[in-house]
Order: sequence, then structure tokens, then C-alpha cells
Amino acid sequence: NAGVTQTPKFQVLKTGQSMTLQCAQDMNHEYMSWYRQDPGMGLRLIHYSVGAGITDQGEVPNGYNVSRSTTEDFPLRLLSAAPSQTSVYFCASTTLDPRRNNEQFFGPGTRLTVL
Amino acid sequence: RKEVEQDPGPFNVPEGATVAFNCTYSNSASQSFFWYRQDCRKEPKLLMSVYSSGNEDGRFTAQLNRASQYISLLIRDSKLSDSATYLCAGDMRFGAGTRLTVKP
Repeated sequence: NAGVTQTPKFQVLKTGQSMTLQCAQDMNHEYMSWYRQDPGMGLRLIHYSVGAGITDQGEVPNGYNVSRSTTEDFPLRLLSAAPSQTSVYFCASTTLDPRRNNEQFFGPGTRLTVL
Repeated sequence: RKEVEQDPGPFNVPEGATVAFNCTYSNSASQSFFWYRQDCRKEPKLLMSVYSSGNEDGRFTAQLNRASQYISLLIRDSKLSDSATYLCAGDMRFGAGTRLTVKP
């Protein structure tokens, strides 16, 4: 199993550009989420999904869109990048099966800089 | 107010010391709790789950107090390799992380 994969690892954007961060998991997890991590702020939840076709907002959703067309993929779109979106982005997934431990598995992260 | 509050530290301790981290959570309906370890420029990885009865894994002990809404992590006999950031989580919400440095 590859676990959770993210691409790209690094990205530099100019203000106003758009881009999509890719996330995929091969563990058949129902739940997937996107976090951003900034110094001193910990992990903040951007958007999450409990299954294909279902998405919802987290703590800091503004400026980001998501979709979940398949169980495996959960891309994060930045519509018009701003310097405030400079951060490290982590995708994570977990099972919602109550019989199993629902620890989250994280991808390696995408380091985004917006100039 | 964040749903999960955590003392950011940093904690600087000598090898062999015992160190304790605490987190408080505001959502009394939270069901599952975890401690994650994050090394510099890496993704968080599960250290241990936290149960009401308390659980131990070698030098690590985790406790959950539902009445007071806090979770704790105790590390005994600290090793240099324990240096990392420790994140507590309640359901899908995370604390800010506590940076631990263990020195020779």
C-alpha cells in the first residue's frame, strides 16, 4: 500500500494564480481531510469529506474548494492564491468503521509559497 | 477558542527525565483521542491512542479525563530520539503541538 500520497511536494505561486493540490489514498478510507500547518498554529482543518460526493467545511475553508468524486481522491483547489495561503498542506485519511481505530494517516505534505 | 488547546512549550529536558504534556478539549461529545508525533518537516504519525482507562506503551503513558476534558502524555526516561513535536487530537481536531528537545 502506498498509503496517502500528495503532489506536488513543493510549489511556488504568484498572487492570483490558481492551482490544485492532489491527494490520493489506497486504503479504502471513507474519511479524507485537508489541513494547513502554520508556525504556532498547529494543524487547522480546511475541508473534509466522509465519502464520495460529500464534502464539508472545516475551520478555515475560505479561498479553498474541494471535491470528492471517488473514494480514493480528494483534491484541494486554490482559486486565487494569496500570500496568506503560504503554508504546509497535509492531506489525511481514516476509516469511519467504529470497529476499527480511526487514527488519521497523513500524506507527506505540500509546501506552498505564494509570492 | 480552539477546540483543542495545548501548551506549545518548548520543553527542553535532559536525557532520562520524565516529561508530561497536557491538552484540553472543548467539545464534550468528542469520542476518540490520539497523540501524534511530528518530526521536523515531516508529516504527523500516530504515537498512541488515548483511552479512558489509560494506556501504556513502553515509556509512554496516555490518560484521558472526560470529566475535566483533558488528555495527557507522560514520557519516562527520555531519549535523544524523543525530540520532536507532539500533537494531541480530539476526533479530527488538533492542538498546536508541543515541541520537545531532549539534550545529552
